[in-house]
Amino acid sequence: SQTIHQWPATLVQPVGSPLSLECTVEGTSNPNLYWYRQAAGRGLQLLFYSVGIGQISSEVPQNLSASRPQDRQFILSSKKLLLSDSGFYLCAWNRGPGNTIYFGEGSWLTVV
Amino acid sequence: DQQVKQNSPSLSVQEGRISILNCDYTNSMFDYFLWYKKYPAEGPTFLISISSIKDKNEDGRFTVFLNKSAKHLSLHIVPSQPGDSAVYFCAASSSPGGYQKVTFGTGTKLQVIP
Repeated sequence: SQTIHQWPATLVQPVGSPLSLECTVEGTSNPNLYWYRQAAGRGLQLLFYSVGIGQISSEVPQNLSASRPQDRQFILSSKKLLLSDSGFYLCAWNRGPGNTIYFGEGSWLTVV
Repeated sequence: DQQVKQNSPSLSVQEGRISILNCDYTNSMFDYFLWYKKYPAEGPTFLISISSIKDKNEDGRFTVFLNKSAKHLSLHIVPSQPGDSAVYFCAASSSPGGYQKVTFGTGTKLQVIP
């Protein structure tokens, strides 16, 4: 069966510090991968998606970047965090169009 | 531009009764609709989905209804249980080529009162 994991689960970072959230999917190959963010009191916002290694598309302009160095690995990064980057970040995957998206456990980021 | 709207931020229902969660969308290109359940500090869990070619899909206590002409879908939970208390997200997707773009609503917090 397929599983998705992301880490760390929680982190508190000072403004201006770097960020790296990592996500891996097991039990499948060539998944579509996604990074979402849930800000306080808001819905789930798609940040990045990837249909293959090295292929990253951004949905919204922001202070973050994403990379896919391996087929089942998706990384969310920032060089300098802003206070507004605080939120709950979710990695997700699916097999492609028309297929259900499955989410990881989420990562709480608090920028102080 | 909120393409998927859940106009009720919260809903309280007595245990054993029916819970009805509503969702409206504006993009006629959406062809697949999903409901997710989310507990605090956890990732959303997939509940049920429906394709745009159907108007109803049922899975145990959960039924999703789709009214394409009204661009409206709803999730019915019967009977409601205290463990159903969570935030429910409606989502709609289209496939603009190679990936599935899923747009989520802002969520409805359901409280089932014992």
